[in-house]
Amino acid sequence: DAMVIQNPRYQVTQFGKPVTLSCSQTLNHNVMYWYQQKSSRAPKLLFHYYDKDFNNEADTPDNFQSRRPNTSFCFLDIRSPGLGDAAMYLCATRGGSHRGSGYTFGSGTRLTVV
Amino acid sequence: DQQVKQNSPSLSVQEGRISILNCDYTNSMFDYFLWYKKYPAEGPTFLISISSIKDKNEDGRFTVFLNKSAKHLSLHIVPSQPGDSAVYFCAASEGYNTDKLIFGTGTRLQVFP
Repeated sequence: DAMVIQNPRYQVTQFGKPVTLSCSQTLNHNVMYWYQQKSSRAPKLLFHYYDKDFNNEADTPDNFQSRRPNTSFCFLDIRSPGLGDAAMYLCATRGGSHRGSGYTFGSGTRLTVV
Repeated sequence: DQQVKQNSPSLSVQEGRISILNCDYTNSMFDYFLWYKKYPAEGPTFLISISSIKDKNEDGRFTVFLNKSAKHLSLHIVPSQPGDSAVYFCAASEGYNTDKLIFGTGTRLQVFP
């Protein structure tokens, strides 16, 4: 089945130690997103790629970076994780011109910072 | 400043009855609205959407109603089933080129026998 896969499902990292979360897709969608969701809060968009064009949200901290080496893969790099970065990180894709078709989400990576 | 609001954090409904989940928004430029369903330890899955030029969209047991003048939309599930127990997120997007979804905080629906 075509899908969006996030690895790992659970990630524990030390305060200040760089960490990378990965996302891959078999849908061949041209748009990929990274969302951050903290407990009981709305998912918050960090950035997205339209093909190779990177779009950063104005309030995304500089600590968060992203790479998209090809259509299938997208990475989220947190350069110096703080305790406040503990959250669920969701990767999503969108393809097609019909905006009402919605995004396809991965299962997420739950990040714990110790 | 939250542009999409789901004021009820939880809802409990008996199996077979109607579930009504509500969502309010503040940005009149939103032109597409979507509902997502999320089970624990899984990513959100797309459920149903509605364009701002419509006031109703139906898909099986799920119907979304949009009241633009009140900036309000609702998701109706009839009949509710135990498998519908999940967190439901309302989301909205603005403009064709924006490509961004703004999410509400979610409503946890529990359907009991």
